[in-house]
Amino acid sequence: GQQVMQIPQYQHVQEGEDFTTYCNSSTTLSNIQWYKQRPGGHPVFLIQLVKSGEVKKQKRLTFQFGEAKKNSSLHITATQTTDVGTYFCVSQKLVFGQGTRLTINP
Amino acid sequence: GAVVSQHPSWVICKSGTSVKIECRSLDFQATTMFWYRQFPKQSLMLMATSNEGSKATYEQGVEKDKFLINHASLTLSTLTVTSAHPEDSSFYICSASVFGTDTQYFGPGTRLTVL
Repeated sequence: GQQVMQIPQYQHVQEGEDFTTYCNSSTTLSNIQWYKQRPGGHPVFLIQLVKSGEVKKQKRLTFQFGEAKKNSSLHITATQTTDVGTYFCVSQKLVFGQGTRLTINP
Repeated sequence: GAVVSQHPSWVICKSGTSVKIECRSLDFQATTMFWYRQFPKQSLMLMATSNEGSKATYEQGVEKDKFLINHASLTLSTLTVTSAHPEDSSFYICSASVFGTDTQYFGPGTRLTVL
């Protein structure tokens, strides 16, 4: 079946540093979604990418979809303590990546 | 908008009993609801997809007779864990989506502990 790999599993940064999480699928994706789950909370939808090579920005967050539509990344510029949480990529078959847990040192 | 609730938020039960978890879309009609389970510090694993008025579609390895799903209306889906055992202890999360969109709105989850 489809596998979605996400790295790194954990990332600890100083506040103000950048952060990136990467997602790779074993099969071509028709779309990919990103969700954020705060500690003790539930996943919250961030964005969906559909087009090959697509880049979307939400304030300090930049999302990319690879040309081959098999990988994606989420980059956060100048992290803030509110960015703490686990970031998941999700395939169109609802296969979740393992998630990247971001912790921040204020 | 797009709020999904779950009840109960946590439940403790004895081994062998059945537990029902409700998932409601509060301010929209959900044509499709999804049930996931999440173990501590792990990712979500899709258990089943349910469409209003039809039988749920279960993922491979998920016992449909153990995890009974009912989606009787456009705002309510229920998951019943039958004859629960300690290994069923987990965090169960539902999500809902609207026809024609891929966005999922997640409920707050239900923590099940089976003694």
